[in-house]
Amino acid sequence: QQQVKQSPQSLIVQKGGISIINCAYENTAFDYFPWYQQFPGKGPALLIAIRPDVSEKKEGRFTISFNKSAKQFSLHIMDSQPGDSATYFCAAGTGNQFYFGTGTSLTVIP
Amino acid sequence: SQTIHQWPATLVQPVGSPLSLECTVEGTSNPNLYWYRQAAGRGLQLLFYSVGIGQISSEVPQNLSASRPQDRQFILSSKKLLLSDSGFYLCAWRGPAGTQYFGPGTRLTVL
Repeated sequence: QQQVKQSPQSLIVQKGGISIINCAYENTAFDYFPWYQQFPGKGPALLIAIRPDVSEKKEGRFTISFNKSAKQFSLHIMDSQPGDSATYFCAAGTGNQFYFGTGTSLTVIP
Repeated sequence: SQTIHQWPATLVQPVGSPLSLECTVEGTSNPNLYWYRQAAGRGLQLLFYSVGIGQISSEVPQNLSASRPQDRQFILSSKKLLLSDSGFYLCAWRGPAGTQYFGPGTRLTVL
């Protein structure tokens, strides 16, 4: 059973637009939900993370929205830039057990 | 600050050959360490994690093994590589808030 489902698989956005990536999880015991950004040939880098006691967290142009009852969370990238073009992974878990989504390839067109 | 190293960066190995990938962490003591594999176009699959020297938990039964001979060293090994072992191998350590921080990765190609 896939613990974390991520969509869309790929996304093309115009410069200045909003990029939205969605994830859904299964296990209600999960208590930590990070998003990672990965450039080709590099390791994933933490972008932003949220815990289930808040519904939204914003850091610069990046916002996580969290819906505990629906077991869903999403990443919003405001004013998307060509430099944001990368693969984005959501993750969910607790302790040493983390499950990753299959990734979203974002392309921001100048 | 903490730094995580992996080597080699790339590796091409024939089927049936042995494997040893190394991960070291600087700037922290007794970290939880993890090995992940990332196949092309797929997410990250947790292979092993370790909470201390000599302590290894295996998440996926397979052809690989892991060892932690020192506090900040984590090694991924295989006695005989399979074609299906090809992928991008990532080591990570767990920070105090629970976040996992990844190394630069090793690209393994088995021919």
